Amino acid sequence: DAGVIQSPRHEVTEMGQEVTLRCKPISGHNSLFWYRQTMMRGLELLIYFNNNVPIDDSGMPEDRFSAKMPNASFSTLKIQPSEPRDSAVYFCASNPSGLYGYTFGSGTRLTVV
Amino acid sequence: AQTVTQSQPEMSVQEAETVTLSCTYDTSESDYYLFWYKQPPSRQMILVIRQEAYKQQNATENRFSVNFQKAAKSFSLKISDSQLGDAAMYFCASLDRSFKTIFGAGTRLFVKA
Repeated sequence: DAGVIQSPRHEVTEMGQEVTLRCKPISGHNSLFWYRQTMMRGLELLIYFNNNVPIDDSGMPEDRFSAKMPNASFSTLKIQPSEPRDSAVYFCASNPSGLYGYTFGSGTRLTVV
Repeated sequence: AQTVTQSQPEMSVQEAETVTLSCTYDTSESDYYLFWYKQPPSRQMILVIRQEAYKQQNATENRFSVNFQKAAKSFSLKISDSQLGDAAMYFCASLDRSFKTIFGAGTRLFVKA
């Protein structure tokens, strides 16, 4: 298995633009998580899905952020409009569901200028 | 709610020596899991070791072992025979029946040759 695949690895965009981050979880993993990592706030859980259904989105910072999981093999995190304070590394992770450790993707470093 | 505290922002160890990274946690759940993740400069998050709260025996994975003190809510990571490749950020994490993993702030480990 190629692991959790995220794209793009790096994204630089201008303030106000729409940004879409993509994630392909490991086949057979039923849970998918989006985290944001910054120096100030560390690793923050944004949202997680179980069997493609959003279970908890309480970590999504505001309405500018949205996430979807249309099928078991694909998820997106969208920011519209983007702001400089959204600059961070965004990780996608998956696990077989339940109380298991995560397999993380390599992350997307987002820079909003 | 879960909390995870890592009180050591940085640690250093001489190559081939042993180092212990500290972690304390808090949870109201009786069923939970604890983890240590490693984040090298490549930024890939890697699961190092996992401990089930109901198990008294401390988990070990090759040179990595934990000291799990349930009553004290302490979960330290011991790295034996440290290698240059062990240099990384190490995150302690807690996962309970909310199915959300909460991460500590991390400890940066330096390994001296």
